[in-house]
Amino acid sequence: NAGVMQNPRHLVRRRGQEARLRCSPMKGHSHVYWYRQLPEEGLKFMVYLQKENIIDESGMPKERFSAEFPKEGPSILRIQQVVRGDSAAYFCASSRGASGYNEQFFGPGTRLTVL
Amino acid sequence: QKEVEQDPGPLSVPEGAIVSLNCTYSNSAFQYFMWYRQYSRKGPELLMYTYSSGNKEDGRFTAQVDKSSKYISLFIRDSQPSDSATYLCAAAGGTSYGKLTFGQGTILTVHP
Repeated sequence: NAGVMQNPRHLVRRRGQEARLRCSPMKGHSHVYWYRQLPEEGLKFMVYLQKENIIDESGMPKERFSAEFPKEGPSILRIQQVVRGDSAAYFCASSRGASGYNEQFFGPGTRLTVL
Repeated sequence: QKEVEQDPGPLSVPEGAIVSLNCTYSNSAFQYFMWYRQYSRKGPELLMYTYSSGNKEDGRFTAQVDKSSKYISLFIRDSQPSDSATYLCAAAGGTSYGKLTFGQGTILTVHP
């Protein structure tokens, strides 16, 4: 009964490189959410995805950030040309979803450090 | 103004004390309210969620929502050192149930 899985747990990139963060939802969950937690700040919503669909990307920065949840495989959060300000903990959550509210369960996070 | 406001603390209490954690919110469309616990360098763990106004109890934890005053509370009875963590309140509703809006989190330390 595995929970939400994220990898890598720690990722170090130099400015200008690309970062790819992966998230596998809990078994039976088809909805995935990405959040970012900056030092000394709360969790901020980034994007909500279902298989092959972006439902809500209102929290995604307009440039350099993209997310996908393909039919097969994990959800990917991609950050191109990383800058120091992208250093943060990135959390993925999943839920059963469908309509209305569904409890979101979080993974352990990926801690991105940009040098 | 942030949609969900939470006093970051820190809050320090002796073991066995009753802990009261609070949040306020401004978005009237919020209908679902949650409390998460986050240990250092770990992912948030869902403790409680409630719908609309009312109380919900689970073991030593009680969550209260007062929609008329836009106030959310979490009470922890007989607090233990293992309860030491950051507690995050969150809310959802309106046009996007998938988007959780979090407070800043309150750092709680329960000392023996």
